[in-house]
Amino acid sequence: EVLLVESGGGLVKPGGSLRLSCAASGFSFSSYTMNWVRQAPGKGLEWVSSISRSSTDIEYADSLKGRFTVSRDNVKKSVYLQMNSLRAEDTAVYYCVRGGAGRPHVDYWGQGTLVTVSS
Amino acid sequence: QSALTQPASVSASPGQSLTISCTGTSSDIGIYNYVSWFQQHPGRAPKLILYAVSDRPSGVSNRFSGSKSGNTASLTISGLQTEDEADYYCISYTTSSTWVFGGGTKLTVL
Repeated sequence: EVLLVESGGGLVKPGGSLRLSCAASGFSFSSYTMNWVRQAPGKGLEWVSSISRSSTDIEYADSLKGRFTVSRDNVKKSVYLQMNSLRAEDTAVYYCVRGGAGRPHVDYWGQGTLVTVSS
Repeated sequence: QSALTQPASVSASPGQSLTISCTGTSSDIGIYNYVSWFQQHPGRAPKLILYAVSDRPSGVSNRFSGSKSGNTASLTISGLQTEDEADYYCISYTTSSTWVFGGGTKLTVL
């Protein structure tokens, strides 16, 4: 069974930083691209970032470039999202989402972790 | 990266069929068949119901079907059931090697 478990969310002040983690199990982690997607309260889904199997290809949503950094550790079967210079509009549930194994695809989601940016 | 365009809400009665559209551009839906649809119930993570425009993952009802014409993809749900009431999102791969979601459609089963 594919399982993705996010952690690291919480309350942070504007301008602060937070590092999210996603632990994967139930599939060959190193064979898949991984993604982060967020959902602000009461709003729709927004793709945040993707990282390829060997971390050679990394993409970000245009609105986030320079503030967020995605990384992965294939030995630990984990993907991370370092978020800096956080703003109120970054408040959202952040989901870890499995991508494709050699082709563009998105399928399994974690349960999400809530990030709240507020003073 | 402008969001794909979906109707904000749709409604229908149990047993009926309905179609939700998802309109993009020649840089996403128009050029790729990497279009997927997700169903999200309140408080839950999204669930994949269609991928590659019209393929269903194992375990997803065949009441869900998909198609694409030009820059517009469509999700059709036949034989509506009360449990189909949820939010539906389309997503497409883009020529920038990124992904873009639709704004979401709230389906109400009357």
